[in-house]
Amino acid sequence: KAGVTQTPRYLIKTRGQQVTLSCSPISGHRSVSWYQQTPGQGLQFLFEYFSETQRNKGNFPGRFSGRQFSNSRSEMNVSTLELGDSALYLCASSLAGRGSGNTIYFGEGSWLTVV
Amino acid sequence: SQQGEEDPQALSIQEGENATMNCSYKTSINNLQWYRQNSGRGLVHLILIRSNEREKHSGRLRVTLDTSKKSSSLLITASRAADTASYFCATDSISGNTPLVFGKGTRLSVIA
Repeated sequence: KAGVTQTPRYLIKTRGQQVTLSCSPISGHRSVSWYQQTPGQGLQFLFEYFSETQRNKGNFPGRFSGRQFSNSRSEMNVSTLELGDSALYLCASSLAGRGSGNTIYFGEGSWLTVV
Repeated sequence: SQQGEEDPQALSIQEGENATMNCSYKTSINNLQWYRQNSGRGLVHLILIRSNEREKHSGRLRVTLDTSKKSSSLLITASRAADTASYFCATDSISGNTPLVFGKGTRLSVIA
């Protein structure tokens, strides 16, 4: 069974640009969540989607957005990139998300560098 | 914001020794999960322990959970150089709105 797949793995963007990251969850998983990992702040929750609906959102500015499609694939978008957005962005999937007791599996992440 | 605090922040041991990492958290939880992260890679799930469980084993891993003290420990027995990684605990809290809240992790170095 394939794991969580994230694309692209590495990308470099310029300040002010926007970026879209993609995540394909494990087959059958309906919950997808996104996290940002930086050396200074550690792992921070961005948002969670379940059956195409955003269930929860972390404390990030509106420049960070996401969506989930009917096949459970998810994308996140960051607009007007800032240097501080440089991070590893991790996608995670589970059968039913928080509170369900399901194991949450992570992808390899997308490394974003903003210059 | 971080819910958990791992202790120690860094740990260096010889191959064959046991490694113990501790995690403390602040709020009541549904479950707690431990993950491993090799440098620059994604998180690998190690073990999930539910709030009504006290101990779980998986291979060389042993996890304990003490909900009265809001703490958990991860023991890796007979460590190998390949165990070198960062280890994170993550909680699914009863209140709150995030699937998982992570601690800052323990960096484990196993020296051959």
